[in-house]
Order: sequence, then C-alpha cells, then structure tokens
Amino acid sequence: DGGITQSPKYLFRKEGQNVTLSCEQNLNHDAMYWYRQDPGQGLRLIYYSQIVNDFQKGDIAEGYSVSREKKESFPLTVTSAQKNPTAFYLCASSAPLYEQFFGPGTRLTVL
Amino acid sequence: GEDVEQSLFLSVREGDSSVINCTYTDSSSTYLYWYKQEPGAGLQLLTYIFSNMDMKQDQRLTVLLNKKDKHLSLRIADTQTGDSAIYFCAESVSGNTPLVFGKGTRLSVIA
Repeated sequence: DGGITQSPKYLFRKEGQNVTLSCEQNLNHDAMYWYRQDPGQGLRLIYYSQIVNDFQKGDIAEGYSVSREKKESFPLTVTSAQKNPTAFYLCASSAPLYEQFFGPGTRLTVL
Repeated sequence: GEDVEQSLFLSVREGDSSVINCTYTDSSSTYLYWYKQEPGAGLQLLTYIFSNMDMKQDQRLTVLLNKKDKHLSLRIADTQTGDSAIYFCAESVSGNTPLVFGKGTRLSVIA
C-alpha cells in the first residue's frame, strides 16, 4: 500500500533532550513537509523539502532541524533549543500538480 | 502575509446541511483545499478546487469559490454524526508548495 508513515505515534522527551521524529513515504513524491499543530490552532510549517539534499525553513523553524538524504525519508529533530515542543507533528508529501497527503502524526510531550 | 480565516465552531442537526466558510488573502492562490481531521488523527483530503473554477461537487460535498471576494465554502449535504470533526481550509500557490491553513472549524453534529 502506498502512503506516509510516521513513528513513533507517541513520544516523550525530557528537558534538554533532542528527539527525532521519523517520516517515510513510498508515493515517489518529490516534496515533503513538516507541520506543527497546537490545540485550537491550524497547522504551521516547520520545514519543507522539494528535492533530495535541499530543504527550506518554514515559519517556525527555530529549535528544529531536518535532513533529506533519501527521497523517501524526511526526519525531523526537535532540539533542546525548542522551548515549547509539546505538540502534534504532521508530515506530508506531494508531487507537482497533486495534493498533499498527510501521515497519521506524532504526539510529542515534554516531561 | 498570507492569511486564511475560518469560524471556529459550527453545530448542526443530523440530516441538515452544513456550510463551513473560509476567507483567504493571497490573490495568487491557485489551489484551495478542504481537509478533515478526526481526533488524534492526521488530515484527510476531502476535496480541492482550482482558482479558475467556481464550483465543484463530489457526492455530498459542494465547494463554492468566489475569487473576487476570496471566499471559499464547503457544503455537506445530509450531515451525519460521522461528519463530526475539524475541517481545515488551506491554500497554496502551486501543487508542490507548502499549504497555508486556517485554524479549523469544529463541526458538531447533533443526533
């Protein structure tokens, strides 16, 4: 089945820790995205990548980092510099002229 | 900058029609989307419309676009309890660029 997978579904982080959220797609899409969702808020763009080995900052990139070494994979690292990381993180992918498809999300909680 | 506005809540009785409204500011928006999010889940694309269209119908869903007023609406006919969810309006300049989302409209369907 084609689709986007995110893991883990739930993630707990201690203060000062870096954590990495996984996003994989087998849709052969060129572009991939990371969004953050807070309660009662829309989705805000963290980073996106339109091609392997290239990525762009979104509106709220501070405290996050990404890599795009393979077309299928776009992991997001939440660093200790992100002061308020508790949120629901959604990964998406798209091909030119096609809509964005979303993964099931990862809920990150800081303990 | 780009902005997408939606009302936050809508409550309807089962069997009635629901109309969810959205306004956007970016006149270069080419693609306009409606996504549905159920609790704890990712976003599911319901429908989308190109900016050169006025209307799109897909089974119980009707999308109307007033490009002059930058107003988009989603009508759900014969609303069911399973339609209870958060509905997001989103826009993008092309099919392979990040989406700008509204904050979402929480639809509650009363049996």
